[in-house]
Amino acid sequence: ETGVTQTPRHLVMGMTNKKSLKCEQHLGHNAMYWYKQSAKKPLELMFVYNFKEQTENNSVPSRFSPECPNSSHLFLHLHTLQPEDSALYLCASSQQQTGDYEQYFGPGTRLTVT
Amino acid sequence: QQQVKQSPQSLIVQKGGISIINCAYENTAFDYFPWYQQFPGKGPALLIAIRPDVSEKKEGRFTISFNKSAKQFSLHIMDSQPGDSATYFCAASVRLVGANNLFFGTGTRLTVIP
Repeated sequence: ETGVTQTPRHLVMGMTNKKSLKCEQHLGHNAMYWYKQSAKKPLELMFVYNFKEQTENNSVPSRFSPECPNSSHLFLHLHTLQPEDSALYLCASSQQQTGDYEQYFGPGTRLTVT
Repeated sequence: QQQVKQSPQSLIVQKGGISIINCAYENTAFDYFPWYQQFPGKGPALLIAIRPDVSEKKEGRFTISFNKSAKQFSLHIMDSQPGDSATYFCAASVRLVGANNLFFGTGTRLTVIP
């Protein structure tokens, strides 16, 4: 285990549903990330938070809405998704001040949009 | 535009052989080059990383070779074992105090035949 947990591990949702993905890190890190992993494509960085402040939003559609209530928790709120949004969503964390900036990933949430 | 290009897409190696995966980048500001290993159903796990002030880093059977002038780096797996069968991703970033935005290659699926 990397110290980064994600729930749920699998999610099937219709295009009109609203759901949320949760990530929690137990490493004392101060930066958290959401990535999207699709087949035969590089991992795509979606959002970055540092000290709960969003520092990056890589042109992600507004149907994805991140929330970072504290430096240990990160959420990704989903609504009116499209079938092409089906992918593995990965959360990661890193220590940006005293550490080596290494990112540690959770196991991911496998999302299927029907 | 893909920031990090990785090859080959897939690789089959006999047990005991050497596995070599190559990556190239364009952004000379990159100063951190990690390799990740991912097994099915798991998130990527940091394997080994290098900074551009050294040309080689070795950890056990895994070695990163780095050529700054050519803007290339590679992963060598010595004495490859069936348990090494996984997908390997190279990545690169500019390390900032605020966050470490990784750009990933497309991955190499390694199969080690017993």
